[in-house]
Amino acid sequence: GAGVSQSPSNKVTEKGKDVELRCDPISGHTALYWYRQSLGQGLEFLIYFQGNSAPDKSGLPSDRFSAERTGGSVSTLTIQRTQQEDSAVYLCASSLGWLATDTQYFGPGTRLTVL
Amino acid sequence: QKEVEQNSGPLSVPEGAIASLNCTYSDRGSQSFFWYRQYSGKSPELIMSIYSNGDKEDGRFTAQLNKASQYVSLLIRDSQPSDSATYLCAVKRSGAGSYQLTFGKGTKLSVIP
Repeated sequence: GAGVSQSPSNKVTEKGKDVELRCDPISGHTALYWYRQSLGQGLEFLIYFQGNSAPDKSGLPSDRFSAERTGGSVSTLTIQRTQQEDSAVYLCASSLGWLATDTQYFGPGTRLTVL
Repeated sequence: QKEVEQNSGPLSVPEGAIASLNCTYSDRGSQSFFWYRQYSGKSPELIMSIYSNGDKEDGRFTAQLNKASQYVSLLIRDSQPSDSATYLCAVKRSGAGSYQLTFGKGTKLSVIP
């Protein structure tokens, strides 16, 4: 079946602008995750959804970052007033459930460049 | 602080050799262990998962887990140039927070033809 899809694949924006990144998980996957990968850094956990609720937002780096998920499916990650340090690849993953043994499958990512 | 440590490499091996990738973790509550492969400019792709002490084999790949030593490794037999990528070790804990993957920074593997 179809994997995790993300859009746009690339986004170039100016400092101070808002951006929205979209993730469409694998059909039937109840858990959805956002990660960030900066150059030379490991994957950094941002937020996790069980269905439409986000029980763990602890990884969001600042209050400029927010995310929502509607209908237990598509999720959007919004970054307000972007800064140059927000430049990174934003990866979305989904899994069937949220147990320790549930595998997370990653989308292709959105490469964000803030000028 | 929960950490996952990997040698950043690059690790260079000749084609046909065995590549050995290592990972240590600090959280004794870690329950599940995953190896992802990431080609340059691409997203991580699951290679192996392992949950119990010992070895788990899948084709040319063998994952080894030693919870007492807090150590997990990935062996790639008969290495091919197409195996050249960054290999990410990731762990999940049991119980609260079991959903969250904590990643190492990855080991870059180069298989020389």
